[in-house]
Amino acid sequence: NAGVTQTPKFQVLKTGQSMTLQCAQDMNHEYMSWYRQDPGMGLRLIHYSVGAGITDQGEVPNGYNVSRSTTEDFPLRLLSAAPSQTSVYFCASRSSPGTADGYTFGSGTRLTVV
Amino acid sequence: DAKTTQPPSMDCAEGRAANLPCNHSTISGNEYVYWYRQIHSQGPQYIIHGLKNNETNEMASLIITEDRKSSTLILPHATLRDTAVYYCIVRVVGAQKLVFGQGTRLTINP
Repeated sequence: NAGVTQTPKFQVLKTGQSMTLQCAQDMNHEYMSWYRQDPGMGLRLIHYSVGAGITDQGEVPNGYNVSRSTTEDFPLRLLSAAPSQTSVYFCASRSSPGTADGYTFGSGTRLTVV
Repeated sequence: DAKTTQPPSMDCAEGRAANLPCNHSTISGNEYVYWYRQIHSQGPQYIIHGLKNNETNEMASLIITEDRKSSTLILPHATLRDTAVYYCIVRVVGAQKLVFGQGTRLTINP
């Protein structure tokens, strides 16, 4: 099925560990982004990409790195996990930055840092 | 991005129309109104968007007032599966982020 695929669905990390959250889309969308959602709060933008080779910071980028080597994939790397990064992470894509199209979201990765 | 105001919660009977209001009194001329919903911690799902004309798709209808300061999302025949948090968002085309507020928690009752 066409859409945004996130892996893993659940992850527990120890403080200081690093890991990569995977995001892939098969809709040939140019725009991809990562959000985090903390309990009872709305989503906040971490990083985004308007095309392969182009990334930029959102409103809460500290502690995270991204890269965009292909149109399909947009992995999010946690460099040294901290308990404050316990959250649900959503990847989203859209066809083009210049259109009014809606976003397609993945089903999320639930991360707990202990 | 303009700020939106939504009621924190609403109830609706199954089979009836659910009308979800949103106030966006500071909306700019180039900002669209978008509606998303989030069902039980799943990823947000795009529902519909509009600029100034009313819009309808297979999921819902969007009614935007003539002055564009408010809008209403209409689910014509609500089902139990429509129970979710509904977010009204205003966004300029090309803006890089969606600003999610607290949304409206809609509960469909049997």
